[in-house]
Amino acid sequence: AQSVTQLGSHVSVSEGALVLLRCNYSSSVPPYLFWYVQYPNQGLQLLLKYTTGATLVKGINGFEAEFKKSETSFHLTKPSAHMSDAAEYFCAVSKPGTSGSRLTFGEGTQLTVNP
Amino acid sequence: GAVVSQHPSRVICKSGTSVKIECRSLDFQATTMFWYRQFPKKSLMLMATSNEGSKATYEQGVEKDKFLINHASLTLSTLTVTSAHPEDSSFYICSARELSSGSYEQYFGPGTRLTVT
Repeated sequence: AQSVTQLGSHVSVSEGALVLLRCNYSSSVPPYLFWYVQYPNQGLQLLLKYTTGATLVKGINGFEAEFKKSETSFHLTKPSAHMSDAAEYFCAVSKPGTSGSRLTFGEGTQLTVNP
Repeated sequence: GAVVSQHPSRVICKSGTSVKIECRSLDFQATTMFWYRQFPKKSLMLMATSNEGSKATYEQGVEKDKFLINHASLTLSTLTVTSAHPEDSSFYICSARELSSGSYEQYFGPGTRLTVT
């Protein structure tokens, strides 16, 4: 079975500061990894994903994440936070293969950006 | 591309009635659609996986007779909450996986807020 742990249900940063949202996973096989963002009363928008290849993945809105197999981590970062980054962020994992692509989500991290 | 819509965005219904929520892939064909439920300040809980033309696969603990899922075409899946009760009030989100791309990415709809009074 797969699982995802997001450390810190709430993260608060100042505008312009570094954003670091932590995600660790558990999987019996090398997984596919995703970060999604959710604004209030909206669905999820994909920020970035890792499937294979380069372990540093760049996504939309200046976000990036690095897959570290030895640490079973996929932390999300952004060098400089913007007020519009305030939202809920979800890390998710799926098992590679042709069947399913069933996602397992972490509990989410609420990001607050202070002026 | 890869847009998923849901209708309605919000619905209020009386206890005991049934409510249908539609999920459509607007610009692609979806072999598989997923239905999630999200409680306030919580993560998404997968309810069921539906494949076009076949019965949905429900997650453990989800009542299939209460949450009826139909995936009649490659662009439409519906979730019907039957005999709704206040505890069914929640945010329901669907997602769809594209048929031809080989991608394992799911595209999410904007969600439907259900309130049962």
